[in-house]
Amino acid sequence: LAKTTQPISMDSYEGQEVNITCSHNNIATNDYITWYQQFPSQGPRFIIQGYKTKVTNEVASLFIPADRKSSTLSLPRVSLSDTAVYYCLVGDTGSSYKLIFGSGTRLLVRP
Amino acid sequence: DVKVTQSSRYLVKRTGEKVFLECVQDMDHENMFWYRQDPGLGLRLIYFSYDVKMKEKGDIPEGYSVSREKKERFSLILESASTNQTSMYLCASSLNSAEGMNTEAFFGQGTRLTVV
Repeated sequence: LAKTTQPISMDSYEGQEVNITCSHNNIATNDYITWYQQFPSQGPRFIIQGYKTKVTNEVASLFIPADRKSSTLSLPRVSLSDTAVYYCLVGDTGSSYKLIFGSGTRLLVRP
Repeated sequence: DVKVTQSSRYLVKRTGEKVFLECVQDMDHENMFWYRQDPGLGLRLIYFSYDVKMKEKGDIPEGYSVSREKKERFSLILESASTNQTSMYLCASSLNSAEGMNTEAFFGQGTRLTVV
């Protein structure tokens, strides 16, 4: 089971770009990397998923280097409403149905 | 609009009671999950199910059981509630996927259970 390591918390200001890096040294060949966002008193919400290089959608970008041992979620020009906990997940090839969350990164966006 | 519905938003139960938390999804998803979330500990997987009547233990199954008699419904059972099971419980569902690729999971709003 590939474990992930993220910073516990990050602070930013409105309008800045925020990059959250996740370490997954034991990622398996077939594993994808997925990020979720969770607001207080709500369930997590899927943000983005990738396998290699770069993936971009309307919410974020995901950068994955060639060795795939880490990944970086990039949030462009954050606003106060981006204050949330962000989780990085790696597919469990031992049991591909499992979703194992770590402790996540608590992002605080200040005015 | 996809939906995962948990039967209660808030629940207060007494120690020793048998507690049922119900979760229903309307997306015909094969996979369903139960998590608990406690401050500073993130989401921890209790049980998950990849098909009707099939279940697997997650990281913290002790004190819990589950039931999946129909595809759309996944129940979490606390056989004898204890105060250390006071927590936020979250249900989720997702489609089956290729190995290594977790498909998007949809979460319910959560049930905040207090055991007194």
